[in-house]
Amino acid sequence: QKEVEQDPGPLSVPEGAIVSLNCTYSNSAFQYFMWYRQYSRKGPELLMYTYSSGNKEDGRFTAQVDKSSKYISLFIRDSQPSDSATYLCAMRITQGGSEKLVFGKGTKLTVNP
Amino acid sequence: EADIYQTPRYLVIGTGKKITLECSQTMGHDKMYWYQQDPGMELHLIHYSYGVNSTEKGDLSSESTVSRIRTEHFPLTLESARPSHTSQYLCASSLGLGSPLHFGNGTRLTVT
Repeated sequence: QKEVEQDPGPLSVPEGAIVSLNCTYSNSAFQYFMWYRQYSRKGPELLMYTYSSGNKEDGRFTAQVDKSSKYISLFIRDSQPSDSATYLCAMRITQGGSEKLVFGKGTKLTVNP
Repeated sequence: EADIYQTPRYLVIGTGKKITLECSQTMGHDKMYWYQQDPGMELHLIHYSYGVNSTEKGDLSSESTVSRIRTEHFPLTLESARPSHTSQYLCASSLGLGSPLHFGNGTRLTVT
């Protein structure tokens, strides 16, 4: 079983839709949870970074972490064509002087005008 | 906005050639990383460094080598490229443990 599972999609939605992207994980030791957005031929850019369970909102984006279910989500409200990209979840453990960061495979999202 | 630069952006070379992928960051980050990314696959860590003169191999076995002589510079070298090395290579840096990673735009390497 992979430590992080992410549905690769692809996901296609009309402009203005609410988008829900999800990842599940198996390692309960993960402490930090991130969402990255990656446009074609670009590197991943950090969208959201959370530590605890609950919701974190930034503009049209909301990151949700449910540690009891080992499940994280990214919601995009009023989706725009410019949101078309691949979204990667990532999870991190930091212990002592070392760390482990695991990425999901990414979900490719297309928002159609 | 993160300032991390990778060159070249695209590289096509023949088998057996020696190549160096450059990565520089201007943020003074101690920690730097190299990831390999293939279509539809997770990012895999191939090398990392926690500071000058410190380098470690990552989770994914790689025939490449790295060096960290200066804080801002973390080049990756392949002594003899093979078609199996064809991939996208992403460089990243972070301020410290627990800090988010900032990525460059990658080098897409094709070995013919």
